[in-house]
Formats: sequence, structure tokens, C-alpha cells
Amino acid sequence: NAGVMQNPRHLVRRRGQEARLRCSPMKGHSHVYWYRQLPEEGLKFMVYLQKENIIDESGMPKERFSAEFPKEGPSILRIQQVVRGDSAAYFCASSGDRNSPLHFGNGTRLTVT
Amino acid sequence: TQLLEQSPQFLSIQEGENLTVYCNSSSVFSSLQWYRQEPGEGPVLLVTVVTGGEVKKLKRLTFQFGDARKDSSLHITAAQPGDTGLYLCAGEEAGTALIFGKGTTLSVSS
Repeated sequence: NAGVMQNPRHLVRRRGQEARLRCSPMKGHSHVYWYRQLPEEGLKFMVYLQKENIIDESGMPKERFSAEFPKEGPSILRIQQVVRGDSAAYFCASSGDRNSPLHFGNGTRLTVT
Repeated sequence: TQLLEQSPQFLSIQEGENLTVYCNSSSVFSSLQWYRQEPGEGPVLLVTVVTGGEVKKLKRLTFQFGDARKDSSLHITAAQPGDTGLYLCAGEEAGTALIFGKGTTLSVSS
């Protein structure tokens, strides 16, 4: 039973380019969460999605960031016109329902040059 | 804004020593979770505590939830090099996303 799969594991983008981060939740899970982690900082919540719906995006920057979780396929976190400050590890987690424990993927490490 | 303060931030000890790390908040949480994260990997859930005063044991790890459900501690007995990692606490309040502390980085040398 595959865990949460994130790809790519490492992503390098130049300033101004777009970054697309993918997350396939565990089989049977329909709740997806995205978190950002900076060195020596905790995980910061960004967005919570349930199939085709954004439930809570209170942690997501208002500009340049968007997320989706379509009926078919992985969840996508999209960052447009990346800046150096976007460099971080982005983690996706999934759960079977809102009250179940989160299972995390191994993250995508984004580096903006 | 809810905040979870973890202490110490860094801890370096010898194999066989005991240690305690703390997670404190001014907010009340419906539950509190502890995770361990190794370099290059995602956090892995160790335990969830729900009831004030609750104590849970996982082999050499003992987790306690404060009576007021605002704080928690993790005690490791006879630490081993395999315990090395980043320990994160996370608080849950109904209707909100999981809030994480900054973590305690533990290094156990043999």
C-alpha cells in the first residue's frame, strides 16, 4: 500500500518561472493538506483540500500560489513567478477523513535561483 | 494566533542518557500529536494524546499531555543513536488545521 507520493523530490527554478508540485495521496484518502517548511522552522500550514474543493486556504499567500485536487489525478500546488523566498521544502499530507491522522509524503525541495 | 513553543531547540547527548523535550502553548488543544522527522523525509506520527493528564508509552518514549491540554512532554529513556531526528509537536483544535511547533533537533552519539 503506497504511501503519500510527492514529485518531483527536488525542483530548481529561476526567478520568474512557475513551479508545479504534485501529490498523490494514500489510496482511499480524499483529504489533502499542503505545508511549507523552512530551515529551523516548523511546518506552516498552507491549504486543505478535499476532492475538487478547497476547504481551508488560510495559510496560502494571496498572490502567485494556487492549489487544486481534481476528481482524477494528483493534487497540484502551483507557484507562479517564483521568487527566492519561495525556496523551501513543501510537504503534502493526506488523511481518510478530517479527524484521522495525517500521513506525510517525503516532500519537494524547491530551490529558486 | 495559536503558537506552540518547543524546547530545547537543539539537544546533543550521549547514548544511554535520558532526556525530556517540551511543547507549550497558551491555547487549549483538543488533541496533541508528536512526530519524528529524519533529514530528507516527511514527519512520521508517533502518538496522539487527547485527554488532559494522559500518559502514553511507546517503548522507551513516554508522552504526557498536560492537565489543561495546553502543553505536552516527550521523555526518552536510555537514548540510542537511532533516536536522532527532529521531534515536532502539533496541536489540533476543532475546525482548524494542525499547528506545528518549530521542533527539537535531537542528536544522540554513541
